[in-house]
Amino acid sequence: AQKITQTQPGMFVQEKEAVTLDCTYDTSDPSYGLFWYKQPSSGEMIFLIYQGSYDQQNATEGRYSLNFQKARKSANLVISASQLGDSAMYFCAMREGDGNKLVFGAGTILRVKS
Amino acid sequence: NAGVMQNPRHLVRRRGQEARLRCSPMKGHSHVYWYRQLPEEGLKFMVYLQKENIIDESGMPKERFSAEFPKEGPSILRIQQVVRGDSAAYFCASSPWTGDTEAFFGQGTRLTVV
Repeated sequence: AQKITQTQPGMFVQEKEAVTLDCTYDTSDPSYGLFWYKQPSSGEMIFLIYQGSYDQQNATEGRYSLNFQKARKSANLVISASQLGDSAMYFCAMREGDGNKLVFGAGTILRVKS
Repeated sequence: NAGVMQNPRHLVRRRGQEARLRCSPMKGHSHVYWYRQLPEEGLKFMVYLQKENIIDESGMPKERFSAEFPKEGPSILRIQQVVRGDSAAYFCASSPWTGDTEAFFGQGTRLTVV
């Protein structure tokens, strides 16, 4: 089974609107961490936001928030007030237990329209 | 504090040659991870190293690939006798301890095998 599933290969959003990028995960470890990264066309991996499995509140970082639904095993990224510069590939990733490696989803390409 | 530095950014090799990719972690970081990103895919874990030790190499191909992180100097990912299928972006990440809430990625090395 896929550890991380991103079901949306591509998404469009109008500038200034909010968009939700889906991510579901699969693990039997009670301790895990969920990450979102942005990869613009230049190729670098930019860390956006982190959610720990024991965190009581949803993580937020500026215009980014993580809609963490533990029972559904989902960790959707919400980008508010989209900007043209948000156009990029977005990856969801998970780290299990005390492990150090990240398991990545296949990614979602987001295009922001003016 | 400089970020994770990878060089070269772009590397072209002919089939059968050797490729050496370098990664200098952030200052104070003793944990290094290598990931590979094939075209149109997410990142896949290859190897996790601490100074002078390989901790987890479960993602490394059995042949032609090796990695080291010496006491002094950068971490090196070495690919011998490259083939066209080795063409990919190779990313290095570093962290100061295990279970960190953020892994800092370098800008990647794009290897093209011709």
